[in-house]
Amino acid sequence: GQQLNQSPQSMFIQEGEDVSMNCTSSSIFNTWLWYKQDPGEGPVLLIALYKAGELTSNGRLTAQFGITRKDSFLNISASIPSDVGIYFCAGPAAYSGGGADGLTFGKGTHLIIQP
Amino acid sequence: GAGVSQTPSNKVTEKGKYVELRCDPISGHTALYWYRQSLGQGPEFLIYFQGTGAADDSGLPNDRFFAVRPEGSVSTLKIQRTERGDSAVYLCASSPEGAETQYFGPGTRLLVL
Repeated sequence: GQQLNQSPQSMFIQEGEDVSMNCTSSSIFNTWLWYKQDPGEGPVLLIALYKAGELTSNGRLTAQFGITRKDSFLNISASIPSDVGIYFCAGPAAYSGGGADGLTFGKGTHLIIQP
Repeated sequence: GAGVSQTPSNKVTEKGKYVELRCDPISGHTALYWYRQSLGQGPEFLIYFQGTGAADDSGLPNDRFFAVRPEGSVSTLKIQRTERGDSAVYLCASSPEGAETQYFGPGTRLLVL
């Protein structure tokens, strides 16, 4: 089946630093989704990407849909303590013609902010 | 508005017992999904409903797992003869018809002793 590989696995950064993480796949995705999960909570949708090359921002977050459709990047500028959590990339598990499918998730990037 | 809700938030059971986990999706969302998340992993897809019918149950690990959505709204995930390996967080998500963005509930933490 499809697999999503996220890197880095974890990040230790200082408050105020910019953060960059990515997600790659051996197969093409038509949609890329980025979620954040806090301890004891379900994943919360941050950004959705639908077109190759698309660059989308949500506040301090910016995500890009790779041209090859096999990767995506998430950047966080000027990190703050509440950015701590696990960031997951996800996409529809099978080729989607615009309908809804179960999502395939990466294993996540753990963001830890050092005081 | 209200998000996806799941009950119970925590469930402890003994090996071999039967459990039911409930999901109440966002009002008006026709699609409903169940996922399982083990420690240190991303959520893994189990089953997807469009309305009352299971459109894709390819993620169910074996026949001890079953899910229903009889009226196209609330769904119940049922696990028979639970095993210790079933311990995980079970997440439910819903989405509007045709949309690929899914909205997750807080999950049910299942512990099988």
